[in-house]
This record gives sequence, structure tokens and C-alpha cells, in this order.
Amino acid sequence: DVKVTQSSRYLVKRTGEKVFLECVQDMDHENMFWYRQDPGLGLRLIYFSYDVKMKEKGDIPEGYSVSREKKERFSLILESASTNQTSMYLCASSSWTAGRTEAFFGQGTRLTVV
Amino acid sequence: AQKVTQAQTEISVVEKEDVTLDCVYETRDTTYYLFWYKQPPSGELVFLIRRNSFDEQNEISGRYSWNFQKSTSSFNFTITASQVVDSAVYFCALIGGANNLFFGTGTRLTVIP
Repeated sequence: DVKVTQSSRYLVKRTGEKVFLECVQDMDHENMFWYRQDPGLGLRLIYFSYDVKMKEKGDIPEGYSVSREKKERFSLILESASTNQTSMYLCASSSWTAGRTEAFFGQGTRLTVV
Repeated sequence: AQKVTQAQTEISVVEKEDVTLDCVYETRDTTYYLFWYKQPPSGELVFLIRRNSFDEQNEISGRYSWNFQKSTSSFNFTITASQVVDSAVYFCALIGGANNLFFGTGTRLTVIP
């Protein structure tokens, strides 16, 4: 079974803090994603990575950066957390060697910025 | 531009009723894939089905069935004889030539015992 693991289930941070959200997958997938989920807005893509050290901006990259130094790990960084970044963050991975197959998701990190 | 519309924000049904969740999509790509995911209260998205744009066959899996119609750009999901465990948020998603998996806003299904 594909396993995508996010380092924290719940996180509370203060405004202005630098926040790291970590995601690890164990299926050697080349693609990894960070989404943000907000009520009424569905899931919105923050960043996508299709290989080590490669990244593409998604729909809402402002205020975020990412790091992918190893294939299995994709980190989302909030350089200076703000209250409007309070949300559920979902990491996913997929492999497209056989067409655009489904993405597998982690359990989510609910981040609260106070 | 890619877009997925799930017009039903919330649906409530009584257990054992059938329910259909609507999904309408927009894309200019000729090759694309459609997905349905379930998000139970635990929060993790669970993959249910994938369909590519060249395969319009409907699919049935137990109490679940999917109706893909390119003519109306729809990919609807029906649950037959609903159960309380079906209560969740259901997302429809689309990916075409770009690298973004576009999600609809989700439909919250509540099955009342």
C-alpha cells in the first residue's frame, strides 16, 4: 500500500513564525503535491514537484516555499506564518509513468496560526 | 482553463436511499482524467475511481456506480442503498495536460440512520 505520511496532525504556531510541514512517501513516486483545503473552496494546489529539486507553482504559492532534496520527502515552508494561513494542508504523491494515475494523500495537517 | 463544478454543497439522505453526486467539468484538453475521492471525518482523502477521456464506459463497484458522459461534460457518482458509513465529503477532480489536479469544492453527504 502507498503510504504518504505528514509529520504532524495538528499544529499551532504564532504569527511571524517560520513553519515547516513535512511529507514523506514510500512508493518512489516522482510527483509530490501540497494542497490547502478550506471550506467552500475545495483543495487548491500550492506547489507541485515532479523530481528532486524541481518545483512548479500552483494556484496559490504566495507566502509559501517548498523543498525537495530527496525523492521521498517534500517540505512546505511558511516563511512568516500569518493568520490567513490557518487551514488544512494535504500532501499527495503520484506516479505518471503509466498515464495520469491517481494521487495518494496523507492524513492532513491542521495548522492554526494565532 | 480547467474547472470542476460540484453544485451540491450538502446532501442529506435517509439510510437505504439512493443518492447521486453531480460533477461537471471544463477542459480544453482532449486527453484528461477524472477522479472521485472520499474524505471521511478522519480527514484523509481516499481514492475511489479514475476515468480517462477515452473510456466512457460506466462503472459499477458494489453499491457505487459512475456515469461518465462527455457530451454533457459530466462524471456523476451514485451510491445505491446508502449507509451511515457513506457519510463523508466527496470530491471530483480533473487532470489534463498540465500538472495540476483540479478539485471541485466537494459535496458533503450525510446519511441519516
